[in-house]
Amino acid sequence: NAGVTQTPKFRVLKTGQSMTLLCAQDMNHEYMYWYRQDPGMGLRLIHYSVGEGTTAKGEVPDGYNVSRLKKQNFLLGLESAAPSQTSVYFCASSYVAGGIVPDTQYFGPGTRLTVL
Amino acid sequence: GEDVEQSLFLSVREGDSSVINCTYTDSSSTYLYWYKQEPGAGLQLLTYIFSNMDMKQDQRLTVLLNKKDKHLSLRIADTQTGDSAIYFCAENDSGGYQKVTFGIGTKLQVIP
Repeated sequence: NAGVTQTPKFRVLKTGQSMTLLCAQDMNHEYMYWYRQDPGMGLRLIHYSVGEGTTAKGEVPDGYNVSRLKKQNFLLGLESAAPSQTSVYFCASSYVAGGIVPDTQYFGPGTRLTVL
Repeated sequence: GEDVEQSLFLSVREGDSSVINCTYTDSSSTYLYWYKQEPGAGLQLLTYIFSNMDMKQDQRLTVLLNKKDKHLSLRIADTQTGDSAIYFCAENDSGGYQKVTFGIGTKLQVIP
């Protein structure tokens, strides 16, 4: 049971390049989330998904797209990277309500992205 | 919208107690959480409390909830150097999806 995994761990992009961050969970969780963490800003929700085939915007969705084609995977895409997207990106997943610890989110180890 | 506020930094000596405070604005919070983030890692759930509880104790950790003042605290007894981390307060507003609002995080530094 690997929990939540993220690939890649580190990436450096040039402005205008595109990339996809992959998140995978093996806990059969319904809900998945993408956050970015910036100094002094805490965690901000980019997009989330409440089930396979569904996605929704979070607090800071601009410049990102997501897809949830399979229940276990949640992809975050940057179509044209900008320096403002330099951040640490965390994926998380959670139980449907009624789990052992209600509504808790399980986090991946993060992807550190630098956009030059 | 919902807001969760924390102080940025706390420094304590090894063996002392640490108290990390958090205030929140959402009166409909169902659960409140404390997450711990060690350097270079993701967040891990440390403990949680239901909104209808006042206190929860779990080994060295004590969570106190004052619903009237919307104030949550985490007390770590006998703080160790391994407790050095960033601690995030979070609340769930019992919305239709599991929307959790995180605080900015409090960096705990434990001095040997």
